[in-house]
Amino acid sequence: GQQLNQSPQSMFIQEGEDVSMNCTSSSIFNTWLWYKQDPGEGPVLLIALYKAGELTSNGRLTAQFGITRKDSFLNISASIPSDVGIYFCAGQLKGGSEKLVFGKGMKLTVNP
Amino acid sequence: EAGVAQSPRYKIIEKRQSVAFWCNPISGHATLYWYQQILGQGPKLLIQFQNNGVVDDSQLPKDRFSAERLKGVDSTLKIQPAKLEDSAVYLCASSLWGALNEKLFFGSGTQLSVL
Repeated sequence: GQQLNQSPQSMFIQEGEDVSMNCTSSSIFNTWLWYKQDPGEGPVLLIALYKAGELTSNGRLTAQFGITRKDSFLNISASIPSDVGIYFCAGQLKGGSEKLVFGKGMKLTVNP
Repeated sequence: EAGVAQSPRYKIIEKRQSVAFWCNPISGHATLYWYQQILGQGPKLLIQFQNNGVVDDSQLPKDRFSAERLKGVDSTLKIQPAKLEDSAVYLCASSLWGALNEKLFFGSGTQLSVL
């Protein structure tokens, strides 16, 4: 199946620090989505991106849809302890079905 | 608004046994999805329903997995017989119409351990 390469796989940061993560693919995507999953819960949508070059913010979160349509990044500024969790990128392929393809996730740990 | 309900939360079975998971989507959502999430991986779509019809089951191991949504509301996913590699969290999600760019709402999942 299609692969999304998500990096880094994990990060350990201090409260107040910023963190960046990205997702790349060899395929072109129509949509890029970023989800957060807390332990024992399902993923929750954080940000959705629909146009190449689009830069979208949601509070302390900022995400961008890459110009090539093959990548996206997510930034979290001024991290707080409740940012702990696993962050997934997901995309819908250009010319494909509506099926979402997920990355492997990035585990974020925030030390207070 | 009530979210996507799944049960049970946890299930432990031995290999070759059968197991079933239940999902009740958000009221009014026509599209229902079952995802498999293996530890350390992102969710992988197993099957997508639009009302009571199957839209995509290309990644469903049909020799052992089956799913139904007979009345177009709640759904059941069954594994028979289970294998060790089926150990995973099974997530159900729903969306209003299943259109491109539509938001998916996920349940809390059923964690399956096959021993």
